[in-house]
Amino acid sequence: DTEVTQTPKHLVMGMTNKKSLKCEQHMGHRAMYWYKQKAKKPPELMFVYSYEKLSINESVPSRFSPECPNSSLLNLHLHALQPEDSALYLCASSQPFAGTDTQYFGPGTRLTVL
Amino acid sequence: DQQVKQNSPSLSVQEGRISILNCDYTNSMFDYFLWYKKYPAEGPTFLISISSIKDKNEDGRFTVFLNKSAKHLSLHIVPSQPGDSAVYFCAATSWGDDMRFGAGTRLTVKP
Repeated sequence: DTEVTQTPKHLVMGMTNKKSLKCEQHMGHRAMYWYKQKAKKPPELMFVYSYEKLSINESVPSRFSPECPNSSLLNLHLHALQPEDSALYLCASSQPFAGTDTQYFGPGTRLTVL
Repeated sequence: DQQVKQNSPSLSVQEGRISILNCDYTNSMFDYFLWYKKYPAEGPTFLISISSIKDKNEDGRFTVFLNKSAKHLSLHIVPSQPGDSAVYFCAATSWGDDMRFGAGTRLTVKP
């Protein structure tokens, strides 16, 4: 199984809503990532979890709150978002310190903030 | 369902020689292809792209070749330099659709 799954595929939310994005992998990878991607632009790194601990936070606003409940799951909790947060949110996973940091990307969640 | 595949997780070449990174795709609707370069703890940065109406695009030391009938593209780096050492991602998209990424290939260029 070389798949990273993300749910939901699409999400529309208002600025006062609270929602969560979910990511799951069963490849035994111990590093997981959240990226934000605007149309036709490369993904921007948001957070990195290594062995279930947050290792990198790229100055992301607090309205985005990541959570890694176990080695297979990664969540991104959303609260009080702005319309400019509308984007494709990609999850990825890799095996840290394996001599390669090739990453498997999920299909993404298309988020629209009204 | 991996629509974009990079079957070589790693590649090692000598400085000054050619690096060839390969990518295969399954979705015939893809019409735009990109290569990204990624350093550790950073997001991917755009390197070079090619539209499906072309079979070659060149930018300095980097050339991307597209073989639509084989659903295959490759990135050639000539001459390779130690600073080229990074992970390279292949990506594909069709107009108005989301971009799909391969798993990446780690290139190591040895001095």
